[in-house]
Amino acid sequence: DGGITQSPKYLFRKEGQNVTLSCEQNLNHDAMYWYRQDPGQGLRLIYYSQIVNDFQKGDIAEGYSVSREKKESFPLTVTSAQKNPTAFYLCASSIRGVGADTQYFGPGTRLTVL
Amino acid sequence: GDSVTQMEGPVTLSEEAFLTINCTYTATGYPSLFWYVQYPGEGLQLLLKATKADDKGSNKGFEATYRKETTSFHLEKGSVQVSDSAVYFCALSDRGDSNYQLIWGAGTKLIIKP
Repeated sequence: DGGITQSPKYLFRKEGQNVTLSCEQNLNHDAMYWYRQDPGQGLRLIYYSQIVNDFQKGDIAEGYSVSREKKESFPLTVTSAQKNPTAFYLCASSIRGVGADTQYFGPGTRLTVL
Repeated sequence: GDSVTQMEGPVTLSEEAFLTINCTYTATGYPSLFWYVQYPGEGLQLLLKATKADDKGSNKGFEATYRKETTSFHLEKGSVQVSDSAVYFCALSDRGDSNYQLIWGAGTKLIIKP
């Protein structure tokens, strides 16, 4: 079955440590996205990539980094510079990254920094 | 800039009641409009969308009509079920915006009681 996988589902880290969240898709989509969701709030865009080896900052990129070396993969690193990293992180993809395209979401990773 | 405003939740209804979740938007161009649903502990999935004025999106008994004159995209369902309990997000993508980002509402939590 085609879809988006995120791992792990739950992640615990100590303050000051970098952590990398995995996102893989087998939908052959060009565009991929990372969102952050905090309780009772909408989604905020961290980074997005419309093509391999290219990515753009979203609204809240500070303290995060990404890479897009393969079409299928878009890992997100939460660095120690991110002041409040505890949140639910969602990865998504779409066919082309054009406005009317449907975004398909993974199941999310809940990151807790202790 | 573009924005989406949803009615605040939680919205609590009895099974078989009529549902309306209000969504209004501001946009500089000609947006596409979306409703996404998030079930507890999961990622988001597209519920329905409309790409031009007067279009009606529909899926699983839910409907929403793109009203340009009132800048609205209200979600309706004639008879809700307990399984419809979830968080519903309204979003827009403005074709005049080259960033291809989705602009999200804050989400409306729906609780259906048997």
